[in-house]
Amino acid sequence: DIQMTQSPSSLSASVGDKVTITCRASQSISRYLNWYQQKPGKAPKFLIYAASNLQSGVPSRFSGRGSGTEFTLTISSLQPEDFATYYCQQSYTISWTFGQGTKVEIK
Amino acid sequence: EVQLVESGGALIQPGGSLRLSCAASGFTVSSNYMSWVRQAPGKGLEWVSIIHGSGSTNCADSVRGRFIISRDVSKNTVFLQMNSLRAEDTAMYYCASGYDHYDTGGYYPGLDYWGLGTLVTVSS
Repeated sequence: DIQMTQSPSSLSASVGDKVTITCRASQSISRYLNWYQQKPGKAPKFLIYAASNLQSGVPSRFSGRGSGTEFTLTISSLQPEDFATYYCQQSYTISWTFGQGTKVEIK
Repeated sequence: EVQLVESGGALIQPGGSLRLSCAASGFTVSSNYMSWVRQAPGKGLEWVSIIHGSGSTNCADSVRGRFIISRDVSKNTVFLQMNSLRAEDTAMYYCASGYDHYDTGGYYPGLDYWGLGTLVTVSS
């Protein structure tokens, strides 16, 4: 199975900060990379598909980049509602896998 | 409006069996990917199993040989039959649905819609 590794595991930031989360795949997955946001006690929310395409309704302060084995999720100006855990997920192989998550906390 | 409603979670003893259901509305389960994703208490998301629109299925190594995904199109419902349950199967189980998103170079699957989850606790 393809392993997905996110870094950092957690970070503290302030409202207005720029935040970048990295996701690395154990082998090339082209652009078959999705990002999800999960708030405590809630189901995940689909944010980005194909590494860089925002789902409908997702604010433009979110952006994704990358291909192959290295990907990033950037929040250009952190808002109060963005404090959550973010997961990357590969859909390149028939067995999908998630990264371990990155928790974005308030500084 | 798309809606996914899971049911069937319970407290079950190790070695036991349980069947989870995911009732879908707003779309047909045979037209989308339907997947189960679980989350152990305080842990991250773990992909469990998928059934494609074609009916083909796949599952994670951690549950292969014990869990089976299936669907009943007439009831617009997807199921997860879980056998030989272990303590490490304790988790919130989410039903999720998605489809291929077109972008330059091809179609890219994702999980667009999620249910609220159903809790499975394996303990004696």
